[in-house]
Amino acid sequence: GNSVTQMEGPVTLSEEAFLTINCTYTATGYPSLFWYVQYPGEGLQLLLKATKADDKGSNKGFEATYRKETTSFHLEKGSVQVSDSAVYFCALSDYGAAGNKLTFGGGTRVLVKP
Amino acid sequence: DAGITQSPRYKITETGRQVTLMCHQTWSHSYMFWYRQDLGHGLRLIYYSAAADITDKGEVPDGYVVSRSKTENFPLTLESATRSQTSVYFCASSESAERDTEAFFGQGTRLTVV
Repeated sequence: GNSVTQMEGPVTLSEEAFLTINCTYTATGYPSLFWYVQYPGEGLQLLLKATKADDKGSNKGFEATYRKETTSFHLEKGSVQVSDSAVYFCALSDYGAAGNKLTFGGGTRVLVKP
Repeated sequence: DAGITQSPRYKITETGRQVTLMCHQTWSHSYMFWYRQDLGHGLRLIYYSAAADITDKGEVPDGYVVSRSKTENFPLTLESATRSQTSVYFCASSESAERDTEAFFGQGTRLTVV
């Protein structure tokens, strides 16, 4: 079956530091890959996505590249802000007639300190 | 209000009681999903629905029942609540089964079974 593994947190950083969250996946087919973010007290929202090998998703200064050869989709941001404090989830889609079901990693909590 | 809403936001119930979590979306999305979020497990799919009157099991369906008589509603019922069902529950919807389709999440229901 499908699975997603991401680094455990919490990750604590100072403002303007570089952030990397590792994500690797196992999939039976050729999935799409996503990063979702959950701010305190809220539901998940899409941060970025990539649908094929070597695609780079980007949004709000975050980037992730679909690496098929290493089955990875690592999230990076060059200079984090306090407002980036959240839980980040890597996910893949098992698409088809039954809908775009998502398989999630365990989530990584990020805390950015001023 | 437009979007996807869940109710209640917080619920405390006793072991053995039946409880229903509500989910309503205003976009007329075909696909709807229920996930539970537990520490260390990320989000796991409980049930999903491709359209009204079409539902199917996800990864962790035991102890749960769903129905979808109308496109916009997708209630989740715990027939006889157990302490292991203490969790945060998220409802989500998506427009299609395309591989890059974004899922939209509600704010979640925090359920405590005592």
